[in-house]
Amino acid sequence: DGGITQSPKYLFRKEGQNVTLSCEQNLNHDAMYWYRQDPGQGLRLIYYSQIVNDFQKGDIAEGYSVSREKKESFPLTVTSAQKNPTAFYLCASQGSSSYEQYFGPGTRLTVT
Amino acid sequence: GIQVEQSPPDLILQEGANSTLRCNFSDSVNNLQWFHQNPWGQLINLFYIPSGTKQNGRLSATTVATERYSLLYISSSQTTDSGVYFCAVDLVFWGGKLIFGQGTELSVKP
Repeated sequence: DGGITQSPKYLFRKEGQNVTLSCEQNLNHDAMYWYRQDPGQGLRLIYYSQIVNDFQKGDIAEGYSVSREKKESFPLTVTSAQKNPTAFYLCASQGSSSYEQYFGPGTRLTVT
Repeated sequence: GIQVEQSPPDLILQEGANSTLRCNFSDSVNNLQWFHQNPWGQLINLFYIPSGTKQNGRLSATTVATERYSLLYISSSQTTDSGVYFCAVDLVFWGGKLIFGQGTELSVKP
């Protein structure tokens, strides 16, 4: 089936540890995005990439890093510099012939 | 930056009732999408509608771009319609930054 997969669904980490969230798509989409959602809030953009080996900061990029070495993959690293990392993280992609963004199922990260 | 406001923030309906959700935005946009977030967190695409009117079953949406608002209509609501409805806008057609509203949380009671 075509779609966007994120793993794991739930992730628990101790404060001070870096953690990497996976996002893979087999839709052949050029653009990929990472959003963060806090309880009762809308989504906020962390990073986005329009093409392989290139990416741009979104509105809340501090404490996060990404890479885009392959078209189908856009992993997000939450570093120890991110002050409030506990949140729901959503990955999305967008094809070159479509104006719609499509979302993966999300990863719930809890840092204690 | 562009501001997106959704109303009402919460809505409780009896099954079978109709509802209208509103999204106001502060600037001209080239991309506007409506999403439904189900209780498991998955965002489901409802409409791409930067202008005009679209219908899909019991749902329809209208965007009046010149007046900077969009409306989502839900008719004959069902319990499965429960969840959070988000409006998101972008100044560009593609590859840009979707700006999300705070959402409308809908609860449909049997």
